[in-house]
Amino acid sequence: KQEVTQIPAALSVPEGENLVLNCSFTDSAIYNLQWFRQDPGKGLTSLLLIQSSQREQTSGRLNASLDKSSGRSTLYIAASQPGDSATYLCAVTGGSYIPTFGRGTSLIVHP
Amino acid sequence: DAGVIQSPRHEVTEMGQEVTLRCKPISGHNSLFWYRQTMMRGLELLIYFNNNVPIDDSGMPEDRFSAKMPNASFSTLKIQPSEPRDSAVYFCASSLARGRGYTEAFFGQGTRLTVV
Repeated sequence: KQEVTQIPAALSVPEGENLVLNCSFTDSAIYNLQWFRQDPGKGLTSLLLIQSSQREQTSGRLNASLDKSSGRSTLYIAASQPGDSATYLCAVTGGSYIPTFGRGTSLIVHP
Repeated sequence: DAGVIQSPRHEVTEMGQEVTLRCKPISGHNSLFWYRQTMMRGLELLIYFNNNVPIDDSGMPEDRFSAKMPNASFSTLKIQPSEPRDSAVYFCASSLARGRGYTEAFFGQGTRLTVV
């Protein structure tokens, strides 16, 4: 059974810092990995999708990397802003086509 | 497309009552997922439909929960009878599964259920 772990569980940083959020998974036979953002009381917004054949994806200040063989992904956030405050979740999908989620990293960026 | 649409956004009901949650997936998507989110357990898959057929319902807690997908544009999750421990946020998500070329999953805004 696939298990997804996200470290750290919570993070509080001053504005302007560069951040790295980590996601690890136990079964490397995945089709893709997806990073989501969730604001309090809201749904999940897709940030980046990395297919298993890809090593990284970039969108604006966000960069996600994937090392399938070691079962790891990182989400890099450059020059963090208070508006980045949210919970970030990663999900991996394999042959079952069902996304399996980690518990998320709760991020606070203070001015 | 308006995205995945769920209704209602909030539901407060008394223990023992029937609750029905509704979901309209993104047009053209062939996969639909129901998840439940709680502080204790995070996001848990309840059931997965592919082409309107339930493929994996191993996450459905017990017989009080049932889900249907009568057509490609509509799904329901029903709880009967409801209990306080069912209080959670229920999310519906959809995607287009094509062989190994699985695409992004898109989530609705969720239904916050409170059973008193």
